[in-house]
Amino acid sequence: GESVGLHLPTLSVQEGDNSIINCAYSNSASDYFIWYKQESGKGPQFIIDIRSNMDKRQGQRVTVLLNKTVKHLSLQIAATQPGDSAVYFCAERDRHSASKLTFGTGTRLQVTL
Amino acid sequence: DAGITQSPRHKVTETGTPVTLRCHQTENHRYMYWYRQDPGHGLRLIHYSYGVKDTDKGEVSDGYSVSRSKTEDFLLTLESATSSQTSVYFCAISETGGPWPQHFGDGTRLSIL
Repeated sequence: GESVGLHLPTLSVQEGDNSIINCAYSNSASDYFIWYKQESGKGPQFIIDIRSNMDKRQGQRVTVLLNKTVKHLSLQIAATQPGDSAVYFCAERDRHSASKLTFGTGTRLQVTL
Repeated sequence: DAGITQSPRHKVTETGTPVTLRCHQTENHRYMYWYRQDPGHGLRLIHYSYGVKDTDKGEVSDGYSVSRSKTEDFLLTLESATSSQTSVYFCAISETGGPWPQHFGDGTRLSIL
């Protein structure tokens, strides 16, 4: 989920297990939601996006679920690997301002062997 | 990896000095962005460009200016640096003309003393 303050929430997952990273959003006018991965010392990497008129979208080993009723977004990573260790954050785009993305602060995923 | 180069990668300077950060892309993408990343905050948009000499402000543009004289280069200038501008700065590009960055550089860590 989203962090408060300077300490990111951490999800610890064993290699091979599935990971679920959550994100809450607040803007009902958001029309797209995007997930990014950021490894230590690197810039963010785009993972997957989902339009607000969809409930689910799948990519390679990742699935994003969108629940508009409770304004909740999740990223599921199948068969988590050590290379998946990173900070994951979501972003939402306001349909009334195409250039405006609001980014979350992220969740740290730690993959244990 | 997308061809995005940020320079310098690290810089320490004093309050009141001008600072220019450079972003160079080899992808010929139309959209370029400058973000800052601070602890406890998600990425925040400073300025973006939708073409040569076409730029617009983001949510935290005060104290910053940008220029884009060539497709491949996007410069961020702090006219008179302040300690509150100590941050990690990321450049990003988008290939679709839309609406969110898909590739990020590896960042410039800027410290203003």
